[in-house]
Amino acid sequence: EVQLVESGGGLVQPGRSMKLSCAASGFTFSNYGMAWVRQAPTKGLEWVATISYDGSSTYYRDSVKGRFTISRDNAKSTLYLQMNSLRSEDTATYYCTREGAHYPGFAYWGQGTLVTVSS
Amino acid sequence: DVVMTQTPVSLSVSLGGQVSISCRSSQSLVHNNGNTYLSWYLQKPGQSPQLLIYKVSNRFSGISDRFSGSGSGTDFTLKISRVEPDDLGVYYCGQGTQYPRTFGGGTKLELK
Repeated sequence: EVQLVESGGGLVQPGRSMKLSCAASGFTFSNYGMAWVRQAPTKGLEWVATISYDGSSTYYRDSVKGRFTISRDNAKSTLYLQMNSLRSEDTATYYCTREGAHYPGFAYWGQGTLVTVSS
Repeated sequence: DVVMTQTPVSLSVSLGGQVSISCRSSQSLVHNNGNTYLSWYLQKPGQSPQLLIYKVSNRFSGISDRFSGSGSGTDFTLKISRVEPDDLGVYYCGQGTQYPRTFGGGTKLELK
């Protein structure tokens, strides 16, 4: 069974940093692209970043480029999101997702971790 | 960026009924490789989203055949037949053809 378990969320002040982690199990982690998708309170879904199966390619939405870094450790089956210079508009539940087999799309989702940026 | 527009924003249905949700993209979702990467997701109350349909019309593992997807280019539809209580929630379409990945604003399915 595919499992994605996020951790690292919480309350953080504007301008500070936070690192999210996602522990994956139930599949061969190194075979799949992974992504972070977020959802602000009472809002819709917003893609944040994607990393290729081997970490060689990364993609970001414009509003987080230069501030967020997606990375992975295939030996540990873990996905990361380093978030720097956090803003109030980054407040959201962050979901770790796995791409489908041979198609881009968010096939599996974690339970999410809430990041609140506030003074 | 590809803008995804879903209609309606909300929908009331009787149990056992049928509904359709429309999703339009501002650009064609046909990839250079010929595939169309349009997916549908359902977010039940208090839960994470789940994938229902990928590549326009392919049901994800374990998804009931009461859910069907269709469309091409820029116009897509999700149909749900014989609606059950467990189908209630917010439906999103999303495109995986180009970056940034984008989602529709969501359609809330409620009981009449």
